[in-house]
Amino acid sequence: SQTIHQWPATLVQPVGSPLSLECTVEGTSNPNLYWYRQAAGRGLQLLFYSVGIGQISSEVPQNLSASRPQDRQFILSSKKLLLSDSGFYLCAWSMGYEKLFFGSGTQLSVL
Amino acid sequence: SQQGEEDPQALSIQEGENATMNCSYKTSINNLQWYRQNSGRGLVHLILIRSNEREKHSGRLRVTLDTSKKSSSLLITASRAADTASYFCATDAGTGNQFYFGTGTSLTVIP
Repeated sequence: SQTIHQWPATLVQPVGSPLSLECTVEGTSNPNLYWYRQAAGRGLQLLFYSVGIGQISSEVPQNLSASRPQDRQFILSSKKLLLSDSGFYLCAWSMGYEKLFFGSGTQLSVL
Repeated sequence: SQQGEEDPQALSIQEGENATMNCSYKTSINNLQWYRQNSGRGLVHLILIRSNEREKHSGRLRVTLDTSKKSSSLLITASRAADTASYFCATDAGTGNQFYFGTGTSLTVIP
């Protein structure tokens, strides 16, 4: 069966520090991969999505970037975090046009 | 960008009552999905309805879709305390592989 791993669960980082969040999927090949951000009490904002290795599409201009070095690995990065980058980050995967499967999320606090 | 908007933002009902949540969206779609999120967790897919369908059932869930009004509703019958969660609609905005979420409805079921 397919599983998705996302870590860490909680992260506290100072302003200006770098960020790396990793997500891996098991049990499937060539999934579509997604990064979402959720502000407290709000809906999900699509940040990046990828349909294949090295293929990244960005939805929102920001100081975040994403990479897909392997088929089932999706990484969210920043060189210098801002206060506004705080939020709940969710990785998800799907096969084509159907439902999303979400990871358990990373709560990022930038102080 | 946010595609959908749920209504109401918050709903509190007694156990055993029915809960109805509405979702409005902006663009044409291939399908619309409903997800559930327990506090601080990832989202879980509940049900998908395609643009050529008008109604779909899954257990205690009933979803309707009106593409002419660009709206959908989720009905949870005979609610239970365990149904307490936030519920989100999501559409593909006609893209097929990008999923945009609404702002969510927070449901509280009082035992």
